[in-house]
Amino acid sequence: TQLLEQSPQFLSIQEGENLTVYCNSSSVFSSLQWYRQEPGEGPVLLVTVVTGGEVKKLKRLTFQFGDARKDSSLHITAAQPGDTGLYLCAGYGQNFVFGPGTRLSVLP
Amino acid sequence: NAGVMQNPRHLVRRRGQEARLRCSPMKGHSHVYWYRQLPEEGLKFMVYLQKENIIDESGMPKERFSAEFPKEGPSILRIQQVVRGDSAAYFCASSPAPLTWKANTEAFFGQGTRLTVV
Repeated sequence: TQLLEQSPQFLSIQEGENLTVYCNSSSVFSSLQWYRQEPGEGPVLLVTVVTGGEVKKLKRLTFQFGDARKDSSLHITAAQPGDTGLYLCAGYGQNFVFGPGTRLSVLP
Repeated sequence: NAGVMQNPRHLVRRRGQEARLRCSPMKGHSHVYWYRQLPEEGLKFMVYLQKENIIDESGMPKERFSAEFPKEGPSILRIQQVVRGDSAAYFCASSPAPLTWKANTEAFFGQGTRLTVV
């Protein structure tokens, strides 16, 4: 069974700080996706990483896929209160699975 | 193009009643996935359906839960004889192609149905 782990589970930071959250697995994934979920809403796709070592940037968000395609990271620069939410990584194993998420709170 | 529509948004049921959750996928999408999310947790896969067929129901409890995706109409997740432990947010997602390891396909999620069993 391919499982995804995420760390940290919770993160509370001040506006303007930088942060990195991680998604790890003992298995290889052909691709990983990152979603953000706001309270009361469904997850929304942020990015898909496909190639080992790939780096993708989305404004202040930088996503990296590990060389071995077993892990990924999301780095946010100069966090803003609007970045608050649950960040989920997901990939296809036996079925399309999600990690448990990192719950980010950015305080003004 | 409307997004994935789920209804109702909120559903309250007494223990022992039946709950029916509906999901209309995006236009042109024939692949539907159901997930359950408990408070402060991630999404747990329940079932994957393609028009009129259940492809993978490995995440769905064998008793009381069933799902269908008929040729016409929305996908339905049905929970019979609900218990308090069924209280959760249930999300539906749809995609235009299977979410397999070969594909680089996006799944679009609905806003979920929040089921409360009292």
